Amino acid sequence: DTGVSQNPRHKITKRGQNVTFRCDPISEHNRLYWYRQTLGQGPEFLTYFQNEAQLEKSRLLSDRFSAERPKGSFSTLEIQRTEQGDSAMYLCASSLESRIEQYFGPGTRLTVT
Amino acid sequence: DAKTTQPNSMESNEEEPVHLPCNHSTISGTDYIHWYRQLPSQGPEYVIHGLTSNVNNRMASLAIAEDRKSSTLILHRATLRDAAVYYCIQYSGGGADGLTFGKGTHLIIQP
Repeated sequence: DTGVSQNPRHKITKRGQNVTFRCDPISEHNRLYWYRQTLGQGPEFLTYFQNEAQLEKSRLLSDRFSAERPKGSFSTLEIQRTEQGDSAMYLCASSLESRIEQYFGPGTRLTVT
Repeated sequence: DAKTTQPNSMESNEEEPVHLPCNHSTISGTDYIHWYRQLPSQGPEYVIHGLTSNVNNRMASLAIAEDRKSSTLILHRATLRDAAVYYCIQYSGGGADGLTFGKGTHLIIQP
C-alpha cells in the first residue's frame, strides 16, 4: 500500500495560465475526492468520483475548474485561466466503497503570481 | 459551513491524556462523527469515527454523549508527534459525498 500520491507537489504559475494536477489513489479504491485548502482553513470539498463517474461536481468553485477520471484509476484536476485567488493547497483523497474513511494525499500547492 | 464547533486551540503536556471536545447540536440520527487530524505540511489523516457507542482504535478513543450532541476525542498518552490540527466532522454521506471540515482545534504538545 503506497498511499495516495499527487503530482506535482508544488506548482508556480502566472495568472491566466492553465494548470493540471494529477492524483493516483490507493489501488482498489474506487472512490476519489478533490478538496481545496487555503491558509488557516480546513479543506473544502470540490468533487467526487465513483470509478470513472463524476457523481458530485456542484461544489467545483467555477466553470474554470474541471476534473476527470477517465479509466477509474488516476484523476486530474484542471484549472483554466488561473487567478491569484486560486492559490491554495489542492488535496486528493480516496476510499473503498465499503468503507467510510478517506485517505488523503500530501497535496499540490499552487501559487499563482 | 461546518456543522460542528471546536475550540480554536488546546495545549497539553507530553505523555499526558488529551481530551478534545466537539459540539454537534444539529446532528441527525444517521450522521456519523468523524475525526481527522492534519500534521504540518501533510494531508489530513483519518483518526476515528462513531455513531452512538464509544469507539476505540490504536490511535484514539471517541466518547459520544448519550444525546449525541457532543463528543470527545481522547488521546491516551500524547506525544510530540500528536501536535496537529484536529477536525471533528458530522457526516451522513456514507462515503458518497465529501467531508465538510471546519477550522479544527490546533493541538499544541509541550515537552
